[in-house]
Amino acid sequence: GENVEQHPSTLSVQEGDSAVIKCTYSDSASNYFPWYKQELGKGPQLIIDIRSNVGEKKDQRIAVTLNKTAKHFSLHITETQPEDSAVYFCAANQAGTALIFGKGTTLSVSS
Amino acid sequence: GAVVSQHPSWVICKSGTSVKIECRSLDFQATTMFWYRQFPKQSLMLMATSNEGSKATYEQGVEKDKFLINHASLTLSTLTVTSAHPEDSSFYICSATGFGYGYTFGSGTRLTVV
Repeated sequence: GENVEQHPSTLSVQEGDSAVIKCTYSDSASNYFPWYKQELGKGPQLIIDIRSNVGEKKDQRIAVTLNKTAKHFSLHITETQPEDSAVYFCAANQAGTALIFGKGTTLSVSS
Repeated sequence: GAVVSQHPSWVICKSGTSVKIECRSLDFQATTMFWYRQFPKQSLMLMATSNEGSKATYEQGVEKDKFLINHASLTLSTLTVTSAHPEDSSFYICSATGFGYGYTFGSGTRLTVV
């Protein structure tokens, strides 16, 4: 089955800096790669996703890149703000199957 | 956008009792629902997958007789934790998907067994 590795486990940045979180996946059949933000005591919220037929996707300050050959994908947050502080999870799956999550990255943005 | 409502948001129960958690898709038909468990400072671990009208498929190590999942309609799935014990205390999260929809998560249920 799918296995998703995520790094780093914690990330501290200054407000305005960029943050990058990286994930690798094991199943070459996976074709959907979402990123979720989870705040304490709440369910995960989708912030951006990418499918295997696309190499990069951007939504304002957030971007995701995908390298299918290397089986890794990354989340890029630019101009970080204190409200970006949360736990971020990457996930991977094939359409219709369960999302398999990485272990999460705790992002702290200090002002 | 797609909305999934999960209730209750938190529950405390006595050891040995059963607890039912509901997951409803409010504005789309959820052909498949997933149940996850999340321990403090850990990731979401898949417990089971349920398709409407079918028996749930449980992940290895998850006791199907302890975690009863029902998905009798396209908008409702329930997870019943039977004979709960303190080690079952966790954050339970459901996710739903349907034709033309992505994966939408509920807000989670904090279960504490005392």
